[in-house]
Amino acid sequence: SQTIHQWPATLVQPVGSPLSLECTVEGTSNPNLYWYRQAAGRGLQLLFYSVGIGQISSEVPQNLSASRPQDRQFILSSKKLLLSDSGFYLCAWSWGLAGIYEQFFGPGTRLTVL
Amino acid sequence: AQSVTQLDSQVPVFEEAPVELRCNYSSSVSVYLFWYVQYPNQGLQLLLKYLSGSTLVKGINGFEAEFNKSQTSFHLRKPSVHISDTAEYFCAVSENNAGNMLTFGGGTRLMVKP
Repeated sequence: SQTIHQWPATLVQPVGSPLSLECTVEGTSNPNLYWYRQAAGRGLQLLFYSVGIGQISSEVPQNLSASRPQDRQFILSSKKLLLSDSGFYLCAWSWGLAGIYEQFFGPGTRLTVL
Repeated sequence: AQSVTQLDSQVPVFEEAPVELRCNYSSSVSVYLFWYVQYPNQGLQLLLKYLSGSTLVKGINGFEAEFNKSQTSFHLRKPSVHISDTAEYFCAVSENNAGNMLTFGGGTRLMVKP
């Protein structure tokens, strides 16, 4: 079976500090990977998605970046955090095959920028 | 491009009462439809999905949804709710030519009262 991990679970960072959130998937190969942000009381905003190693598409211009150094590893980064970066960050994966449509979500990382 | 509207941001209901959470979408092509549930500080869990076939879809935890193409709706229902159903519910749509990309609605908070 497939599992998805995210860490850390919670993070409190000062404004201007760097960020690195990690997501890994087990039990599958060549998945599509996604980063979402969920601000307090709001829906999900797609930040980045990746269909393969080194292939990153950005949905929203911002001070965040993403990387996929390995097939099942997806990293969300920032060089300098802003207050507006606070939120709940969710990683998700889907099969990279045609005909399979749902996304499977990780447990999330709660980021608070002070 | 598709969009998803969840008409109610919050739905209060008493335990053992029936509930309907509304979801409408807009798209110029065929779509696949999903309902996810999110418990506090957790990731999203798939409740049910409509890909094709019967328009009445049954999911986990006693939930069901009906796809209505003419009304472009995919409302979620449960005949008798429990306290444990208190959560955020998200409707999502994927166009059949968009791979695994999902567009989410803004979410509906279901609050079940004793």
